[in-house]
Amino acid sequence: DQQVKQNSPSLSVQEGRISILNCDYTNSMFDYFLWYKKYPAEGPTFLISISSIKDKNEDGRFTVFLNKSAKHLSLHIVPSQPGDSAVYFCAASAERGNEKLTFGTGTRLTIIP
Amino acid sequence: DSGVTQTPKHLITATGQRVTLRCSPRSGDLSVYWYQQSLDQGLQFLIQYYNGEERAKGNILERFSAQQFPDLHSELNLSSLELGDSALYFCASSAHRQGGNTIYFGEGSWLTVV
Repeated sequence: DQQVKQNSPSLSVQEGRISILNCDYTNSMFDYFLWYKKYPAEGPTFLISISSIKDKNEDGRFTVFLNKSAKHLSLHIVPSQPGDSAVYFCAASAERGNEKLTFGTGTRLTIIP
Repeated sequence: DSGVTQTPKHLITATGQRVTLRCSPRSGDLSVYWYQQSLDQGLQFLIQYYNGEERAKGNILERFSAQQFPDLHSELNLSSLELGDSALYFCASSAHRQGGNTIYFGEGSWLTVV
C-alpha cells in the first residue's frame, strides 16, 4: 500500500522554465511534508518542507504547495537550472516531531540546457 | 557532506550469509534511522533509534535487527540473506528537535546478494 505516490517517474524541462513535481498521499493523518533531492551515489538531501497548517512555503527558487482537501502537494522550481537534474522524493510524516517518514518512489527531473 | 557516515559503501555477499552495516550520525544527533531502497522503489523506513532505544519500527524483516550504541553510532544486522535483500541501505540522523523533521542522510551502503 503506497501511501505517498509520485506518479511521474520522470520529467524533462527546458532550462529557465518552471519545473513542477507532483505528489499525492492517501493517509489523512499525514501533517508534515518534505521534499528531498538525490544525486547519483549520494544520499537524499533535504530541500524544503511544509506543515499542514500552511498551504505554501517558499525558499528561493523552490516553492511547495499543499492542497489538503485533494491530498496533493507539488514542488515548483523556478527558474530551472541544470544542477537541478536529480531524483526528487516526496515524504510525509504523521506527527510533527515524529521522524518516521513515508517516501514516494521519486521523480527523475532532467533539465535540458 | 551531510555529516552522516556509513560503512561499508559497497558489499557483495552470498545468500544465507550475515552482514553488518555501520552508521555514525551527525555530531550531536540523537536519532538514527535506517531506510532501504530497492530497485525502482522509494525509500522504505526500517527502524529508528533515539538515544539508544528503539523509537519506531517500519517494514523491517525479522531477519534484520539494529541497535544504537552509547556513543550513538548504529549498526544494522542483516542475516540469512536472500537475493531480494540486495538494495541500497541508508542511514540518517536528526537532532529530534520539536517543530522540525529535517533528517540528514548518509551516502548509503550498497548491498549485493549473489
